[in-house]
Formats: sequence, structure tokens, C-alpha cells
Amino acid sequence: NAGVTQTPKFRVLKTGQSMTLLCAQDMNHEYMYWYRQDPGMGLRLIHYSVGEGTTAKGEVPDGYNVSRLKKQNFLLGLESAAPSQTSVYFCASRSSGTQYFGPGTRLTVL
Amino acid sequence: AQSVTQLGSHVSVSEGALVLLRCNYSSSVPPYLFWYVQYPNQGLQLLLKYTTGATLVKGINGFEAEFKKSETSFHLTKPSAHMSDAAEYFCAVSDRSGNTGKLIFGQGTTLQVKP
Repeated sequence: NAGVTQTPKFRVLKTGQSMTLLCAQDMNHEYMYWYRQDPGMGLRLIHYSVGEGTTAKGEVPDGYNVSRLKKQNFLLGLESAAPSQTSVYFCASRSSGTQYFGPGTRLTVL
Repeated sequence: AQSVTQLGSHVSVSEGALVLLRCNYSSSVPPYLFWYVQYPNQGLQLLLKYTTGATLVKGINGFEAEFKKSETSFHLTKPSAHMSDAAEYFCAVSDRSGNTGKLIFGQGTTLQVKP
């Protein structure tokens, strides 16, 4: 049981490039979330999904898109990366009121 | 709108001393309350949570927290700090209404444990 996994672990992008972060969970959870973590700001919710085929905006959705085509996967896309998107990105899935977090993806946008 | 405030971005204690990390929330209705810990270069791990019932909640690694409705607080304590407790700690709340499970996090408190 791997729990929540994230791919890649690290990535460096140039401004304007695009990329997709993959989150996968093997716990059959309905709810999944994407957060970004910045120093002194805690974690802020980008987008979330309450089930396969559904997505919704969180607190800081601008510049990001998501898809939940399969229950176990939740993808976060950056269409045109900006330096302000330099951050650590965490995915989580939820069961019985508790969110379980992945190890994170450290993204740097130059 | 809900919000969470963690008093003190850095807390330093000696090994064996009491750990007290403060968390206050703002919500019209008492929310679900959580404490997460993050070790360097890792994801977040649940320490404990309060949903209903007993207001003193015990978690992993000897930590506990008490929900005080009158003070809108959920402070985290541990009687005796260990070097392995050095980490960043996050308080979070989740709305009881609706069913999205969204978490609102505090800014985090870095705990330093001195030998």
C-alpha cells in the first residue's frame, strides 16, 4: 500500500513552459486535493475533487488546471509557468475526515 | 470565513521541557480541528484531530491538544520534548457544513529542540 505518491519530486521550469504534476493514491479515496506550500503561509488549497470526473476551485486556483479522469489520479497542470508558481506542491486524499498527504513536488520556475 | 492563527512562527525548547504550540481559529460554528507535523523534506502527517466528544484529544508521539470553545483555541502540548520532535507543526480547520473536507491551515510553527 503506497498511499499517496507524487511525480516528479523535483522540477525546474523556465517561465512560459508547461508541465503536469501527477498525484496517485491506492486507497480508493473519493476526495483529493492539491495544495501549495510557501514559507510563512502554511498550505493553501489550489483545487480539489470530490470524486472521479469532478473538480472545483480552491483558495488560489489562478494559473492552474486540474483533471480527475480516474479515481486514483489527480493531475495538476501549469499551462504557462510563472516565477510566482515556484513552490512546494502537495497532494492529499481524504477518508473518514482525515487527509493523507503525498511527499511533495518542489517546483522552481526561473 | 474561517481562519487559523498560530502564535509564534518559531518555538525553541530544551530537551525534556514542556512543548506548547498555540492555535486559535475563527469560525461561526466550531469546526473540525487538526494538528499536522512536517519533518524536513517530507509531507504532512496527522498528529491528532478533534471532531466531536471529549475535548482533550490524544495523538501520536505523546502529543495532545485541548479544544476550548470559549477561547476558540486548540493548543498542542507534549509534557517532555524529544530531539526527534524538531519539525514544523501546522494547525488546520475544516468546516462542518458541506462535505468538501477542505482544510484551512495556519502559517505553521517551527519547533526547535535544544540538547
